[in-house]
Amino acid sequence: NAGVTQTPKFRILKIGQSMTLQCTQDMNHNYMYWYRQDPGMGLKLIYYSVGAGITDKGEVPNGYNVSRSTTEDFPLRLELAAPSQTSVYFCASRPPGNEQFFGPGTRLTVL
Amino acid sequence: QKEVEQDPGPLSVPEGAIVSLNCTYSNSAFQYFMWYRQYSRKGPELLMYTYSSGNKEDGRFTAQVDKSSKYISLFIRDSQPSDSATYLCAMSAGSGGSNYKLTFGKGTLLTVNP
Repeated sequence: NAGVTQTPKFRILKIGQSMTLQCTQDMNHNYMYWYRQDPGMGLKLIYYSVGAGITDKGEVPNGYNVSRSTTEDFPLRLELAAPSQTSVYFCASRPPGNEQFFGPGTRLTVL
Repeated sequence: QKEVEQDPGPLSVPEGAIVSLNCTYSNSAFQYFMWYRQYSRKGPELLMYTYSSGNKEDGRFTAQVDKSSKYISLFIRDSQPSDSATYLCAMSAGSGGSNYKLTFGKGTLLTVNP
């Protein structure tokens, strides 16, 4: 199993541009999550999904959108990028139970 | 008051030392407590998981939960340079269903010096 994979690893955006962060898991997990991690600030939940077709907002959803058309994929969309969205983004998935499996992250800089 | 408080450190210890990492929390509904380890430029990985109060030991690692004090700890015995990482506490009120969401501490950066 590849586990949770994320692309791209790095990206630089200009203010106002849009992009999609890709997340794929091959463990057949129903639950998937998007977090952002700012330096010294821990992980903040952006959006989560409990299964294909079902998504919900987390703690910091403003400026982001998600979709979940398949069990495997959970892309995160940034519209009109702002410097405040400079962060490291982690996708995670979870089987029934309590352990979340994290991807390697996407480092995004908005200039 | 933040839901989860964790001293960000940094914490620097010599190899072989006993390390104590701690978090406090304010939400009395939290029942599930975890410690994640995050190496530099990597995603977090689950290190220890504890339900409710009590201790759990796994090799050199011991997790303690004191719900009456809303305080959790992670102890690392005989620390090794390979233990150098950021340690994040995380907790949840839900049991793993759709209402299961983790609240993370800010993380403590630990360096173990050879």
